[in-house]
Amino acid sequence: KAGVTQTPRYLIKTRGQQVTLSCSPISGHRSVSWYQQTPGQGLQFLFEYFSETQRNKGNFPGRFSGRQFSNSRSEMNVSTLELGDSALYLCASSLRTSGGYNEQFFGPGTRLTVL
Amino acid sequence: AQSVTQPDIHITVSEGASLELRCNYSYGATPYLFWYVQSPGQGLQLLLKYFSGDTLVQGIKGFEAEFKRSQSSFNLRKPSVHWSDAAEYFCAVGVRSGNTGKLIFGQGTTLQVKP
Repeated sequence: KAGVTQTPRYLIKTRGQQVTLSCSPISGHRSVSWYQQTPGQGLQFLFEYFSETQRNKGNFPGRFSGRQFSNSRSEMNVSTLELGDSALYLCASSLRTSGGYNEQFFGPGTRLTVL
Repeated sequence: AQSVTQPDIHITVSEGASLELRCNYSYGATPYLFWYVQSPGQGLQLLLKYFSGDTLVQGIKGFEAEFKRSQSSFNLRKPSVHWSDAAEYFCAVGVRSGNTGKLIFGQGTTLQVKP
């Protein structure tokens, strides 16, 4: 079956603009998580969505937000972009059953460059 | 607090030589441990995971890892490295809080393979 897809793959924005990134999880997966990857900070957890509700949030400012739709697709939005928001944004999906820990499957990422 | 440490930022090995990438974690409960690989410009691919049971786990591409609770380690090994193994490797611990989960990553180890 198809893997996690992210669109767009590359994006260039200027400071102060806002951006929306999209993620389609693996069919049947209901949980979507977002991560930011930068050379300085590495891979950091942004937030997790399940059943259209944010379930967990990392230590990021309120400029970073997201949502999940009824078909489990997710979007994340960054408002008032700063140079430091330049990063690879990775989306991961999982089954998210009630017990144990569910393996996360990652998409190819969206490379955001802020000028 | 939960954390993952990969002591080696960069490792160079000759093709055909053995490889060991180190990973230490800090987590109060039974950890869910993962190794991911990332090729340039790509997302993360799961190499292997440890949830419970046998402490020596086998993964894809000939990789294996051994969980040692007494040392809080989960080192990745491969007996004979191929040029195509050159990539960045990330160790991660899966953290559950209620019904939510997230991955905490180490800083990564870049593997260079000499011909």
